[in-house]
Amino acid sequence: VELLQSGAEVKKPGASVKVSCKASGYTFGGFHMNWVRQAPGQGLEWMGIINPNAGAAKYAQQFQGRVSMTRDTSAQTFYLELSGLRSDDTAVYFCARDLRGSGWYYLDHWGQGTLVTVSS
Amino acid sequence: EIVLTQSPDTLSLSPGERATLSCRASQSVSSDYLAWYQQKPGQVPRVLIYGASNRAPGIPDRFSGSGSGTDFILTISRLDPEDFAVYYCQQSGSSVTFGGGTKVEIK
Repeated sequence: VELLQSGAEVKKPGASVKVSCKASGYTFGGFHMNWVRQAPGQGLEWMGIINPNAGAAKYAQQFQGRVSMTRDTSAQTFYLELSGLRSDDTAVYFCARDLRGSGWYYLDHWGQGTLVTVSS
Repeated sequence: EIVLTQSPDTLSLSPGERATLSCRASQSVSSDYLAWYQQKPGQVPRVLIYGASNRAPGIPDRFSGSGSGTDFILTISRLDPEDFAVYYCQQSGSSVTFGGGTKVEIK
């Protein structure tokens, strides 16, 4: 299993960013994908989860209205888009595979992380 | 939203000592939905325990998890130098949330 994320981004306040996570080594449709972020020196913050088959996503309340999670099944890639960026959105963004489809509920494989820096 | 509160914030111990980390939920969580992760500086988190008490593949048996309802514990029976890291609990019962983390540092 490998989750390969796109490279670091630098954005200005108010802009949008789109991070990708290419999945390989397993059946793409078999597992949900989470997005989790970590601000510098801070803890883990869950952003949301997407079902790879239906494409339906559920978002953490604090991101509602400015986050979108999508997937491209032909490319076996997940996407996170965050709009209205603020300086406190500066963080490393991770994709993380969820095992809930297997009956267990934890994140077993993580992407390497994508640093998004928001600065004027 | 279920809030997970971890304590202590920092645990200062010596190699070979026992570490006991607490995770308290704001409402009851099924044990099936409670996991623990370890994160070292510059690394991605890795799962240690799932279903509150099941060790993930490859995790040494000095790591154990227990608890139910609103109170969960991660125990490291004898700290190895490689165990000094930050530990997070996570629940998937109602949406997904992480605790704030406990840093285990060398005394």
